[in-house]
Amino acid sequence: DAGITQSPRYKITETGRQVTLMCHQTWSHSYMFWYRQDLGHGLRLIYYSAAADITDKGEVPDGYVVSRSKTENFPLTLESATRSQTSVYFCASSTGTRGVNYGYTFGSGTRLTVV
Amino acid sequence: QQQVKQSPQSLIVQKGGISIINCAYENTAFDYFPWYQQFPGKGPALLIAIRPDVSEKKEGRFTISFNKSAKQFSLHIMDSQPGDSATYFCAALFSGGYNKLIFGAGTRLAVHP
Repeated sequence: DAGITQSPRYKITETGRQVTLMCHQTWSHSYMFWYRQDLGHGLRLIYYSAAADITDKGEVPDGYVVSRSKTENFPLTLESATRSQTSVYFCASSTGTRGVNYGYTFGSGTRLTVV
Repeated sequence: QQQVKQSPQSLIVQKGGISIINCAYENTAFDYFPWYQQFPGKGPALLIAIRPDVSEKKEGRFTISFNKSAKQFSLHIMDSQPGDSATYFCAALFSGGYNKLIFGAGTRLAVHP
């Protein structure tokens, strides 16, 4: 199916474990983003990527690692999960062209609970 | 400098009323201002957007008003319906560099029948 898919939808993990959240898009969009959503903070940018092998930090990158070896995939890894990383994580993608209604397309999110 | 401040945090409106959500920014490097709508369990979806050379944009019942000198913009939902109940995010995009969107904290809107 075309679109942007995130997996898993729900994940419970223990403190200190490594967790990888997956994001796959079928449009060949050049830009991809990871946000976390927390009550009172809205959506905060963790990492973003302008193309394969080009990534950069956002507002809240500490404790996270990303890679982008292929245009369509942008996995997010929590190297050693902490309770403060309990959140809903959204992946998004966009073209590089700023048209009239330029915007991101978001996935459905991954709800991560760290216990 | 990178913040977008959004208010109110939550809003209750009666069916048929007008919902108003406000946002403010400081960084003049922002040059594009979209609004996103998010239903429970879903990702945010683009609702309407405006550029700073325009003072108002209307799409159906949704209108963005933009005040460049005050660095403020707002979303008006006319004739609000229960189906409009969702979380709304304003956002701002930098004019250069990786097309990064900076989001406000969100407004949870409930429209009562």
